[in-house]
Amino acid sequence: DGGITQSPKYLFRKEGQNVTLSCEQNLNHDAMYWYRQDPGQGLRLIYYSQIVNDFQKGDIAEGYSVSREKKESFPLTVTSAQKNPTAFYLCASTPGAGRGTEAFFGQGTRLTVV
Amino acid sequence: AQSVTQPDIHITVSEGASLELRCNYSYGATPYLFWYVQSPGQGLQLLLKYFSGDTLVQGIKGFEAEFKRSQSSFNLRKPSVHWSDAAEYFCAVGPNQAGTALIFGKGTTLSVSS
Repeated sequence: DGGITQSPKYLFRKEGQNVTLSCEQNLNHDAMYWYRQDPGQGLRLIYYSQIVNDFQKGDIAEGYSVSREKKESFPLTVTSAQKNPTAFYLCASTPGAGRGTEAFFGQGTRLTVV
Repeated sequence: AQSVTQPDIHITVSEGASLELRCNYSYGATPYLFWYVQSPGQGLQLLLKYFSGDTLVQGIKGFEAEFKRSQSSFNLRKPSVHWSDAAEYFCAVGPNQAGTALIFGKGTTLSVSS
């Protein structure tokens, strides 16, 4: 079945460490997105990519980095510069980056700083 | 600026009672509107979407929503709530052009009492 796979489901990070969250899709979608979810805050856009080797910052990009070397993969790195990384991270994709395209979501990764 | 407002943070409904979740949007063009549902620790699932045409749209799990341009609203309804409907519900708008992403409200948590 086609879908979006995020791994790991749970991730623990020590202070000062960088960690990378994986997102893979086999839907042949062009656009991919990373959202951060905190209680009561809804989903906030971190980064998105419309095509391979291109990406744009979202509303809360500071302390995060991404790459898009392959169409099916869009990993997110949470760097030590992100001061409050504990959150639920959701990856999504859309068929294109055009108008009215619905987003398909992965199951999320819960990151906790220990 | 584009935005989505879900005025109710938390709603409790008795099982079998009707449900209405409110969503108001601010958007500069014809909006593309979505409702998603999220169970705890999971990704988001699309309930329904409005692109154009009939302003009353039907979705999965017995949900429907009505687009009212004059009120900038897209409220979600269900005639009879089941205990399994307890979840968090998100309204989203966009994208209206290439290079943009969905904008989400902060969500409404639905509890169902027996």
